[in-house]
Amino acid sequence: KNQVEQSPQSLIILEGKNCTLQCNYTVSPFSNLRWYKQDTGRGPVSLTIMTFSENTKSNGRYTATLDADTKQSSLHITASQLSDSASYICVVSRYGNKLVFGAGTILRVKS
Amino acid sequence: SQTIHQWPATLVQPVGSPLSLECTVEGTSNPNLYWYRQAAGRGLQLLFYSIGIDQISSEVPQNLSASRPQDRQFILSSKKLLLSDSGFYLCAWSATGTSEAFFGQGTRLTVV
Repeated sequence: KNQVEQSPQSLIILEGKNCTLQCNYTVSPFSNLRWYKQDTGRGPVSLTIMTFSENTKSNGRYTATLDADTKQSSLHITASQLSDSASYICVVSRYGNKLVFGAGTILRVKS
Repeated sequence: SQTIHQWPATLVQPVGSPLSLECTVEGTSNPNLYWYRQAAGRGLQLLFYSIGIDQISSEVPQNLSASRPQDRQFILSSKKLLLSDSGFYLCAWSATGTSEAFFGQGTRLTVV
């Protein structure tokens, strides 16, 4: 069954600290993987996209990794800011363009 | 450029009343369309997925239905709302052959 599982479900960290969010998937055939950020009460917005051949990709303080062999991805946030508080959603695309969404990790950054 | 419109932004409905949420996409043709629900503090749950007019897949059994009467119009409906239908509903689209989904601003539905 095509599934995307994210952990932890929620996370609270202090401002300035780093954190890592995990995404495991069983989607096949795999096309690519995206991480989205969803601010409260808004629609998700894409942060990064990882294709099969990419291992690491950075977008500012966000760094995504992908291990296509173990079907795992992570999103690392460096020097967290209050504005990083949001839900982070992992989305895997199958060939044929159907998207499979994870349930998301709710991150709260405290001052 | 492509845009997605979803309305209304907020809605308070009594139990047993009907529901109709509308989503339209502009600037593209033959998009894949999605309806998601997000319960408070929870992740996204895919409700319906459509690859074309009148071609709709239901991901979970529920009190809701979806229709796609036109290429760029996606409607989420219910004949009788339940308290458990409360949540944040998101419409999204993706272009055929691509993988990025673009989301509407969402509808906050409260069933009382």
